[in-house]
Amino acid sequence: DTEVTQTPKHLVMGMTNKKSLKCEQHMGHRAMYWYKQKAKKPPELMFVYSYEKLSINESVPSRFSPECPNSSLLNLHLHALQPEDSALYLCASSDDRVLALTDTQYFGPGTRLTVL
Amino acid sequence: GDSVTQMEGPVTLSEEAFLTINCTYTATGYPSLFWYVQYPGEGLQLLLKATKADDKGSNKGFEATYRKETTSFHLEKGSVQVSDSAVYFCALEGGSQGNLIFGKGTKLSVKP
Repeated sequence: DTEVTQTPKHLVMGMTNKKSLKCEQHMGHRAMYWYKQKAKKPPELMFVYSYEKLSINESVPSRFSPECPNSSLLNLHLHALQPEDSALYLCASSDDRVLALTDTQYFGPGTRLTVL
Repeated sequence: GDSVTQMEGPVTLSEEAFLTINCTYTATGYPSLFWYVQYPGEGLQLLLKATKADDKGSNKGFEATYRKETTSFHLEKGSVQVSDSAVYFCALEGGSQGNLIFGKGTKLSVKP
């Protein structure tokens, strides 16, 4: 089973709202990722967690706050977003970034976010 | 730095036509190479991968061979179907932290 699940599928929020995106995997993977994808563009890496610790933050604004409560779950907390943050947010996971620097990433279906 | 270059789309083919989507890369060392596919309104799915030179990845009739001498990883399929209509991303795992580096994507439309 190579499934990564994401909820919600769609989210509409105002600029003053606080919301969270959720990602879950049960493959025993120890690395999890958040990507942002704008229309007709490739995904852009936002954050990487390895063994539940934040290992990469690609200079993402603080209005995006990731959290990894356990090895299966990854959240992205959203606060005071801007309309230009509207995009497809993709979660991915991979086996182990410590023992094997290169590893296959498996993506979830994404959350389509619209900021009004 | 490491980079991936894909042929510009969109690519429009008739059903049962032969497909080639070109992908070349620039990298230090020998990174793993991937093709991901994104169907309309969905996330990315791993299509195939190759981890070393001369490896051939294959899945669902698609193939790509890791060519070190030409730094290429072209995607091919002998007979496309309407259901293959999607955006295809070539990617390598590279850079200083082994992250995925994507090409810009190639949109494929297959007409019946």
